[in-house]
Amino acid sequence: AQSVTQLDSQVPVFEEAPVELRCNYSSSVSVYLFWYVQYPNQGLQLLLKYLSGSTLVKGINGFEAEFNKSQTSFHLRKPSVHISDTAEYFCAVTGSGGSNYKLTFGKGTLLTVNP
Amino acid sequence: EPEVTQTPSHQVTQMGQEVILRCVPISNHLYFYWYRQILGQKVEFLVSFYNNEISEKSEIFDDQFSVERPDGSNFTLKIRSTKLEDSAMYFCASSKGQGNTEAFFGQGTRLTVV
Repeated sequence: AQSVTQLDSQVPVFEEAPVELRCNYSSSVSVYLFWYVQYPNQGLQLLLKYLSGSTLVKGINGFEAEFNKSQTSFHLRKPSVHISDTAEYFCAVTGSGGSNYKLTFGKGTLLTVNP
Repeated sequence: EPEVTQTPSHQVTQMGQEVILRCVPISNHLYFYWYRQILGQKVEFLVSFYNNEISEKSEIFDDQFSVERPDGSNFTLKIRSTKLEDSAMYFCASSKGQGNTEAFFGQGTRLTVV
């Protein structure tokens, strides 16, 4: 079984500032890791994913995340945010050897970008 | 761009009533899922469906829940006798393959049980 902890429930930042949204996971098996974004009144959209290979993965909208196996972390970063990045961000994990796409989500981090 | 569509977007139902939430997955996808998000809580896995049968379900998915793929396009979640605690946003998702492929989520159905 897996679990995900998103350490910050809310992160307010000013426009053009850098941001890091933290995610830690626990698992007894190898994992795939994901970040999803949910804009108001919309569904979940995949930002990026780590499956294997390079630990730095780049996603849409200028976001990137780094997989750190020793720290069991998968923090999401963006060097300069825009007001349109205001949304809820979810970190998720699934076992890489599993037969189903059963995602375990964190509680989410609400990113609010202020002018 | 293909997308997962869910209907209705919002459903209000009385406690004890049956409700059916509908989803149209992406047409060439083979795996289908339901998740739910109670207000202020995590998105939680309910059930996965493959090859016309449930492949995995969580402890939340008890006997009052059922899923069905009644035709080649729809994927439904039925709650037989709704309870107040079933109030949540329900997300349908589909994927081509398993864990290393992207799951596409619908916009969700907000279910309110009164």
